[in-house]
Amino acid sequence: GAVVSQHPSRVICKSGTSVKIECRSLDFQATTMFWYRQFPKQSLMLMATSNEGSKATYEQGVEKDKFLINHASLTLSTLTVTSAHPEDSSFYICSASSGAYRGSTIYFGEGSWLTVV
Amino acid sequence: GESVGLHLPTLSVQEGDNSIINCAYSNSASDYFIWYKQESGKGPQFIIDIRSNMDKRQGQRVTVLLNKTVKHLSLQIAATQPGDSAVYFCAENTYGNKLVFGAGTILRVKS
Repeated sequence: GAVVSQHPSRVICKSGTSVKIECRSLDFQATTMFWYRQFPKQSLMLMATSNEGSKATYEQGVEKDKFLINHASLTLSTLTVTSAHPEDSSFYICSASSGAYRGSTIYFGEGSWLTVV
Repeated sequence: GESVGLHLPTLSVQEGDNSIINCAYSNSASDYFIWYKQESGKGPQFIIDIRSNMDKRQGQRVTVLLNKTVKHLSLQIAATQPGDSAVYFCAENTYGNKLVFGAGTILRVKS
């Protein structure tokens, strides 16, 4: 079946630095990718919708200058956390869909743990 | 409904018993729901979905019930096994295939 891969699975970075997380669809073209954030023992919160070749659409309250999203190809979206702070430490999860219409199958990545020290 | 800063409730069941996990939503126009299972440190895994033109849908050992009158859906797991231990989320599939996740429920299966 379709696989969505995230890299790195775990990353530790120093406060003030930037870190990039990749989300790849391995065997299908993803016109739309979504980025979620999940704190321990909480639900997934949608951060942004990433469409290939266009600017990402951010959810209310998510700082677009802090969480840079690039969807440069139909198989790759990246999330860059800029000037990271300890409160940015979280589990970041991407999902990918072969279509933007409701009902097209959504595949989730395995998530990336970010720890900012 | 949406979950903001909520901590997850826990359901403990004995192995072999049936589990019922509940989810409420607030928008009467909501018409497409998905249940996900999330194991520790992993991404969500699709279990079953249901659209509002149905009130029941069955899969392998799982049943989803949708009550549009009271805006409630449930996931029933038959003969719960230790491997079912995980966090379960209901999610609403909204426009553009965006998912809005519910608060989630921790399922613990006791052997």
